[in-house]
Amino acid sequence: EAQVTQNPRYLITVTGKKLTVTCSQNMNHEYMSWYRQDPGLGLRQIYYSMNVEVTDKGDVPEGYKVSRKEKRNFPLILESPSPNQTSLYFCASRVPGTGGYEQYFGPGTRLTVT
Amino acid sequence: RKEVEQDPGPFNVPEGATVAFNCTYSNSASQSFFWYRQDCRKEPKLLMSVYSSGNEDGRFTAQLNRASQYISLLIRDSKLSDSATYLCVVNRGGYQKVTFGTGTKLQVIP
Repeated sequence: EAQVTQNPRYLITVTGKKLTVTCSQNMNHEYMSWYRQDPGLGLRQIYYSMNVEVTDKGDVPEGYKVSRKEKRNFPLILESPSPNQTSLYFCASRVPGTGGYEQYFGPGTRLTVT
Repeated sequence: RKEVEQDPGPFNVPEGATVAFNCTYSNSASQSFFWYRQDCRKEPKLLMSVYSSGNEDGRFTAQLNRASQYISLLIRDSKLSDSATYLCVVNRGGYQKVTFGTGTKLQVIP
């Protein structure tokens, strides 16, 4: 089954404790992206990757890091989480290109930073 | 002004009704347009792409008006299962520059 998986699905952590949210896709997509979703603000892009070892900032990259060592995996790293990073996070993947293509989203990771 | 704006709703409509949502975008260079559906904080899923000539998929019709910079989604014969949040998505131009609207919530009532 074609899918995007994220782990963990739920996480409660404390300020400053480094964490990683994993994302993996089995569709051989070159393009992957991370979003956060907050009430009233919609989905906002954090980082995206056009291929292995190629990443770039989205609209809200501060406080986040990513890496793309393999095509299927695109982890999101919070080196020092803060309460304002409490949010619902989605990973997505799609075929590359500048046109319109369907994005496939993971099930989401609900993060709470206290 | 937000790049992509939607009426947040909620739109409460009876079963069988026809309902329409609009979405406006500010960047005239925007190239691609989509409607996604999101159920209760689950992952968004593509409902349909929006083409310049307009397109229809069953009970759903999407329209694009480039002159006025808006896209619309029409749902005919609403079903209870249509209850969800509908996200307008715009490719703002350039590689990977995608903006999501904040969504319009639809509640179909028996």
